Amino acid sequence: DQQVKQNSPSLSVQEGRISILNCDYTNSMFDYFLWYKKYPAEGPTFLISISSIKDKNEDGRFTVFLNKSAKHLSLHIVPSQPGDSAVYFCAGRGEGNEKLTFGTGTRLTIIP
Amino acid sequence: DAGVIQSPRHEVTEMGQEVTLRCKPISGHNSLFWYRQTMMRGLELLIYFNNNVPIDDSGMPEDRFSAKMPNASFSTLKIQPSEPRDSAVYFCASSPVRSGNTIYFGEGSWLTVV
Repeated sequence: DQQVKQNSPSLSVQEGRISILNCDYTNSMFDYFLWYKKYPAEGPTFLISISSIKDKNEDGRFTVFLNKSAKHLSLHIVPSQPGDSAVYFCAGRGEGNEKLTFGTGTRLTIIP
Repeated sequence: DAGVIQSPRHEVTEMGQEVTLRCKPISGHNSLFWYRQTMMRGLELLIYFNNNVPIDDSGMPEDRFSAKMPNASFSTLKIQPSEPRDSAVYFCASSPVRSGNTIYFGEGSWLTVV
């Protein structure tokens, strides 16, 4: 039972354009969501997060949007840069629970 | 600042052999997680500890897998006997008390069982 789903295994975007990565979840108990970024041969690193009481959080070129009614969140990267090429994981966390439940990841490739 | 340290980075072993993966969490962190990354399932949680006590091991695939945390600075994940389907990248991660929900990953242990 995949509680966090990233239905696009890969995405290619031209440098300078907007990258939009999508994530759907089924667990209505999730109250916090995170995006992690992973380069080859490295561990995932935290990128940005959002609490369920918000619908948007922005950090520089990165913005996460949350639509609770649709159980959907998305990560926008604008403008996209070659260094953004990586695998992006979406994760959810239930209230009072420390563990993160991750999706399967989306491999983003930025084309110069 | 030392991050989460995992060893070995790469392991190739024959089916049936015992495999032990090791992890040193970030000093001062009180929660430790073992995740496994595969193409099909992404990052799946195997087990996590809080203050050295296993809290949730529902993700451990079967009895062949076991994990221990004898003290706050060391944990092991053991597979005995190993099978080819165990081939994956195993990540250890840790988080501090009241971390704001961020966990910090090690660089992973790449396991290949042939």
